[in-house]
Amino acid sequence: AQSVTQLGSHVSVSEGALVLLRCNYSSSVPPYLFWYVQYPNQGLQLLLKYTTGATLVKGINGFEAEFKKSETSFHLTKPSAHMSDAAEYFCAAQGAQKLVFGQGTRLTINP
Amino acid sequence: ETGVTQSPTHLIKTRGQQVTLRCSSQSGHNTVSWYQQALGQGPQFIFQYYREEENGRGNFPPRFSGLQFPNYSSELNVNALELDDSALYLCASSLGGSWDSYEQYFGPGTRLTVT
Repeated sequence: AQSVTQLGSHVSVSEGALVLLRCNYSSSVPPYLFWYVQYPNQGLQLLLKYTTGATLVKGINGFEAEFKKSETSFHLTKPSAHMSDAAEYFCAAQGAQKLVFGQGTRLTINP
Repeated sequence: ETGVTQSPTHLIKTRGQQVTLRCSSQSGHNTVSWYQQALGQGPQFIFQYYREEENGRGNFPPRFSGLQFPNYSSELNVNALELDDSALYLCASSLGGSWDSYEQYFGPGTRLTVT
């Protein structure tokens, strides 16, 4: 069965610092991979996705992620954090008919 | 183009009662998936409907049931509510009913509290 693991339930960075949120997946076949963001009391917004092709994927709000098959990873990065980036972030893998989500990482931005 | 909408936004029910949550899919989408997100957790897949038929189900008991209508809107019904059913229920719509339905668009969710 497919599974997604997000390392670190809580990440705190200073404004302007690098953001790195870690995600590893478990699958015999490289799946489609996604990062979603969830702001308080809201649904999920798609940040970016990997399906096939280029392994470095650019998304909205300056975020990007790199698919590394050898490491079964799909880490999310942003060069310079902004206060508005504070939210919950979910990594997900596409399985049969469904998305399999990680537990989420809460990102806090310190002024 | 309208996005995914859900109703109600919040509701409070008593243990043992029944509840119906509603979802309108994004224009042009024929597939609706439902997820349960408990506090502090990632969303868990409940089931998916494609062209009015159930097209996959997660590890949820039969008291969780659903419907999809000809206009592709959907309902999630939960019978005999338990305290652990308290969660945010998310609806997602997409185009296609199989492996290629990978891009799912989420609604804002319905917050259900069971007391």
